[in-house]
Amino acid sequence: GAVVSQHPSRVICKSGTSVKIECRSLDFQATTMFWYRQFPKQSLMLMATSNEGSKATYEQGVEKDKFLINHASLTLSTLTVTSAHPEDSSFYICSARELAPPVLGRETQYFGPGTRLLVL
Amino acid sequence: QKEVEQDPGPLSVPEGAIVSLNCTYSNSAFQYFMWYRQYSRKGPELLMYTYSSGNKEDGRFTAQVDKSSKYISLFIRDSQPSDSATYLCAMSAGSSGSARQLTFGSGTQLTVLP
Repeated sequence: GAVVSQHPSRVICKSGTSVKIECRSLDFQATTMFWYRQFPKQSLMLMATSNEGSKATYEQGVEKDKFLINHASLTLSTLTVTSAHPEDSSFYICSARELAPPVLGRETQYFGPGTRLLVL
Repeated sequence: QKEVEQDPGPLSVPEGAIVSLNCTYSNSAFQYFMWYRQYSRKGPELLMYTYSSGNKEDGRFTAQVDKSSKYISLFIRDSQPSDSATYLCAMSAGSSGSARQLTFGSGTQLTVLP
């Protein structure tokens, strides 16, 4: 199956600093990548949809100036949490959708392993 | 009302039991239905993918979709302790633009006791 990696897997930072999280599709090209946030014992909440070469589309309530998304290539998207605060502590997960899925009609998202962010 | 409803559990079963996990939904535009398994502190892993109504079997896992009732199920036969995880249902409306976004259930936490 398709593999998506995330780096770092966990990060601890001081309040006010910025943190960059990378999402890579390792063995396929992804036109679209998604960024989710997950709080303990809750489901995934979509933050934004990122298309290669264009601006990300943010979900209602997500601050685009705080969560900067860059999708510079078909295999890499980055999420930067700017001026992080303790309430930004969460599990951030990216997913990627294949450019040309091998099975016609089968198009879904492959998830990365997640990045746990703790802001002190 | 949420678009996708899923019983959060927790659900505990003995090893070897048949597990039934379910989701209901309200958006009749949903056509693609998925089940993901998520181990603690890990990203979701795709288990089953189904288009429209019907059944799909893969090893010990069977996915069922009943679009007329807006109800989907995942059955796990001969459950194993390694199946202990949170199971998320997900669905999407179509094949273009924002319709491709997945809507997730809240997840059901399953524990299979040895």
